Amino acid sequence: DTEVTQTPKHLVMGMTNKKSLKCEQHMGHRAMYWYKQKAKKPPELMFVYSYEKLSINESVPSRFSPECPNSSLLNLHLHALQPEDSALYLCASSQDRNQDYSSYNSPLHFGNGTRLTVT
Amino acid sequence: SQQGEEDPQALSIQEGENATMNCSYKTSINNLQWYRQNSGRGLVHLILIRSNEREKHSGRLRVTLDTSKKSSSLLITASRAADTASYFCATDARGGYQKVTFGTGTKLQVIP
Repeated sequence: DTEVTQTPKHLVMGMTNKKSLKCEQHMGHRAMYWYKQKAKKPPELMFVYSYEKLSINESVPSRFSPECPNSSLLNLHLHALQPEDSALYLCASSQDRNQDYSSYNSPLHFGNGTRLTVT
Repeated sequence: SQQGEEDPQALSIQEGENATMNCSYKTSINNLQWYRQNSGRGLVHLILIRSNEREKHSGRLRVTLDTSKKSSSLLITASRAADTASYFCATDARGGYQKVTFGTGTKLQVIP
């Protein structure tokens, strides 16, 4: 079992729907990540939050809107998605890897993901 | 992109045999990590090797890193059916420690 909890586990939504993915961790980590993983492909980085501030946006379309309300929570708001956005969405957390030498080498802790299907 | 390339893409071995997976990457790194992913689930961190290290062991895992060749290998000794999973290497980049990107992965099947 993982210490990073993602909800829901599965989500089916239409292209006109608005939905949100949620991620929670209680390890005291100050960096949180969203990754997207298509079938038989590696995870692709979408966003990174550091101390609740967005630090990396990998040119993700605006129909994906991240939010970090506090250090334990990370949301991904979805609106007007396309069928090609169907994928496994993974949340991860780590110590803030920009902080100091010891944190540079912090591993990522992943949740089990949300399997998203856009119809 | 910092994405690594892994080979082989797929590997099938008998239980008890050793499994070796290789990862190549493109630019200078701070460290290289290996993760495991069971089908449809999240990734689990296995081992991290720093750029100034050449070899590291953890249980049945042995990782090597050759920064001159920009490559790493993961060896799983005495494999078990429970080792069946996909294995990914992941790298950051010097000055971009938060940008952790994953290699293409090796799908390992261990036959009982």
